[in-house]
Amino acid sequence: DAKTTQPPSMDCAEGRAANLPCNHSTISGNEYVYWYRQIHSQGPQYIIHGLKNNETNEMASLIITEDRKSSTLILPHATLRDTAVYYCIVRVGQAGTALIFGKGTTLSVSS
Amino acid sequence: NAGVTQTPKFQVLKTGQSMTLQCAQDMNHEYMSWYRQDPGMGLRLIHYSVGAGITDQGEVPNGYNVSRSTTEDFPLRLLSAAPSQTSVYFCASSKRGSGEGMPGSNQPQHFGDGTRLSIL
Repeated sequence: DAKTTQPPSMDCAEGRAANLPCNHSTISGNEYVYWYRQIHSQGPQYIIHGLKNNETNEMASLIITEDRKSSTLILPHATLRDTAVYYCIVRVGQAGTALIFGKGTTLSVSS
Repeated sequence: NAGVTQTPKFQVLKTGQSMTLQCAQDMNHEYMSWYRQDPGMGLRLIHYSVGAGITDQGEVPNGYNVSRSTTEDFPLRLLSAAPSQTSVYFCASSKRGSGEGMPGSNQPQHFGDGTRLSIL
């Protein structure tokens, strides 16, 4: 039970903003929303996480709705190197150590 | 600072053989985990540890053993390899963390580059 729903694939033009949606309607009040990406078969790369407030770092922005039932990852200026599978994860259970991965969204950035 | 180091990167085994996948981290992280990833799927948790001497089962633990004698190392053992264990294995580590939310959950996990294991 991945507890998140993401579209299987999205396309984005290079230089444009990529907005990746995620639904997590059953999220609990103390569960964080994490975003990771995986390029080819490399190890997953951490992007950003948040609990209630919107967050921004050097890679991306995370917008969480007020009811916390959905969120959007924003890559402000997508490049070809951002082509990857993006995972939205609600960190659950097992002492908060486990990441429950779904199938993610395959983002294809083209020139 | 090497982060999370996994060895070997590639391995081919015969059915019934045993082997140990190594994972080491130099960030003094309390939490460590092992995941497997099958083609076209997300990662699935095999075993995890919240500190030296403490381990527990994840989603798909059968056929695998772990131990955590030091903070730095978290080896994964296949006792009798089966073709169904052909997969890419990832090790991850994270700090315990504090603050809001579920205890230990507000620190990101850092992943190694994986071990690609084929069992014939």
